[in-house]
Amino acid sequence: EVQLVESGGGLVKPGGSLRLSCEASGFTFSSYCMNWVRQAPGRGLELVSSISSSSNYIYYANSVKGRFTISRDNAKNSLFLQMNSLRAEDTALYYCAKLGGLVRTDAFDIWGQGTLVTVSS
Amino acid sequence: EIVLTQSPDFQSVTPKEKVTITCRASQSIGSNLHWYQQRPDQSPKLLIKYASQSVSGVPSRFSGSGSGTDFTLTINSLEAEDAATYYCHQSSSLLHTFGQGTKLEIK
Repeated sequence: EVQLVESGGGLVKPGGSLRLSCEASGFTFSSYCMNWVRQAPGRGLELVSSISSSSNYIYYANSVKGRFTISRDNAKNSLFLQMNSLRAEDTALYYCAKLGGLVRTDAFDIWGQGTLVTVSS
Repeated sequence: EIVLTQSPDFQSVTPKEKVTITCRASQSIGSNLHWYQQRPDQSPKLLIKYASQSVSGVPSRFSGSGSGTDFTLTINSLEAEDAATYYCHQSSSLLHTFGQGTKLEIK
């Protein structure tokens, strides 16, 4: 079964850090671009960051540039998001999402269940 | 940044009704437009890719059309399980963006 399982969310104070993880199974992880998409409570979806299959291409939303770092370990079928200098507006459910094909313009065909990040004093 | 604007934001419909949701892009995106369904407390689920291509396992009552800047998601003969929020997503630019969502309530 194709599956993505996120972990690492929690409650953190403003200015703090968290590291999110996403463990993939059921597909050849090393072949696909992977993504972090977040959803603030009661709000819509926002692509936070993307990383190509071999980590050659990395993109960030302007809202997190300079504070978040995406990475992956293809040997361990894992995706990560290091989140530093967290702000209240980073509070959201963070989803790991797989690109559906090998083309950058493909849709996100598999999503994890999400991990909740709450930034509050 | 390419902005996607969906309409309506909310719609209350009855079972068996036909529903149309539109998504307008701030610039031409070809057919690089995808649709998702998000039921309450669930992750998004891909419904339609590349504007009109069907996705395996998705009921045939869901269909999509459009290209350039104007796109449509159509749900024929609505069922109770279709109560959800629907999002469009463009992948034309390097950093993809989503529409604000359309919430569908079943009467």
